[in-house]
Amino acid sequence: GNSVTQMEGPVTLSEEAFLTINCTYTATGYPSLFWYVQYPGEGLQLLLKATKADDKGSNKGFEATYRKETTSFHLEKGSVQVSDSAVYFCALSDRGAGNNRKLIWGLGTSLAVNP
Amino acid sequence: DSGVTQTPKHLITATGQRVTLRCSPRSGDLSVYWYQQSLDQGLQFLIQYYNGEERAKGNILERFSAQQFPDLHSELNLSSLELGDSALYFCASSPHSESTDTQYFGPGTRLTVL
Repeated sequence: GNSVTQMEGPVTLSEEAFLTINCTYTATGYPSLFWYVQYPGEGLQLLLKATKADDKGSNKGFEATYRKETTSFHLEKGSVQVSDSAVYFCALSDRGAGNNRKLIWGLGTSLAVNP
Repeated sequence: DSGVTQTPKHLITATGQRVTLRCSPRSGDLSVYWYQQSLDQGLQFLIQYYNGEERAKGNILERFSAQQFPDLHSELNLSSLELGDSALYFCASSPHSESTDTQYFGPGTRLTVL
């Protein structure tokens, strides 16, 4: 079945460091790919998404490119801030049977940014 | 603020009991999703409703049930509670049920079963 694999955390970086969080997926067909972020004590919120191969999603300085050839959707940011400390989830949409829709989630990667 | 509301914020109860979690989607959204987030299992999709009808089912136990009402709010019922049901339960909503839809999450209900 479809699945998402994220790099394990926690990831600890200094402010202004470069961030990469790896995400690879297994899917049949052409899923959409998402990165959600969960700040401490809050619900998840969409960070960015890409709906087809070679699309690049971007938001708040974060970027991820939908790479079909490597089945990857790695999250990157050039210069992280303390306020980026959160848990990041990679997810893919699963059309499923009968036109159903659900998201399949990675386990999440915790990021801590130190001043 | 996502526009999705969940009540209650916290719930503490005993094993064997039954609880109801409530979710109000964003105005205009027709789909509601329920998720369970626990330390050992991560984020698990439970069930989706679209305009009052069940649309997709995930890892939802038979002791759990849900429904979506005509005003589009949804309730998740958990019965015969066990210690392992302790988790954060999130509701999310989206405009339709397309695979590209962004899902908007509520703040969650933290359930503690003692």
